[in-house]
Amino acid sequence: AQSVAQPEDQVNVAEGNPLTVKCTYSVSGNPYLFWYVQYPNRGLQFLLKYITGDNLVKGSYGFEAEFNKSQTSFHLKKPSALVSDSALYFCAVRGRANSGAGSYQLTFGKGTKLSVIP
Amino acid sequence: EAQVTQNPRYLITVTGKKLTVTCSQNMNHEYMSWYRQDPGLGLRQIYYSMNVEVTDKGDVPEGYKVSRKEKRNFPLILESPSPNQTSLYFCASRPTAQGSTDTQYFGPGTRLTVL
Repeated sequence: AQSVAQPEDQVNVAEGNPLTVKCTYSVSGNPYLFWYVQYPNRGLQFLLKYITGDNLVKGSYGFEAEFNKSQTSFHLKKPSALVSDSALYFCAVRGRANSGAGSYQLTFGKGTKLSVIP
Repeated sequence: EAQVTQNPRYLITVTGKKLTVTCSQNMNHEYMSWYRQDPGLGLRQIYYSMNVEVTDKGDVPEGYKVSRKEKRNFPLILESPSPNQTSLYFCASRPTAQGSTDTQYFGPGTRLTVL
């Protein structure tokens, strides 16, 4: 079975400082990894994904994520945080469902609340 | 505009009163799915559908039903809601049934309270 761990429930960072939101995963086969962001009272918005290729993936709003196969990690990063980045961030991994039938299902971490302090 | 829509956005009901949350996508996606979001638990999949008339259980299907009679619609049915189904519900879709690398798109969410 696949799983995702986001070890920090909350991350606080000062505006202008770099931010990192951590994610580790476990999956059989090739890992397909995703980051989503949820702003208050909104649905989930796609930020970026890793499928194959370059280990550094660039996404929306200046975010990037680094895939590290040996550490099974996919940490989300941004060089300079903005107050508007304050939100709930979810890491997800896609693998085959236990029921088979060739379908791939997303498994989410529990989420990390990012607070950027002015 | 390409989107996933859900209705209602907010619902307060009582135990045992059947309800349906609708979900519709205008992107001609094959795959659709329902999740519930609870504090400290993240998003957990309830049911998914790989195409019309093809549905399967996710991780937490108990107490829920779904149907997929048309490609664009994937309603979530609670035949006899209970307080432990109080949650925030999200519908999602992606282009293909296999979809290993597809981006998944989410609706705005439905906040359900069962008294």
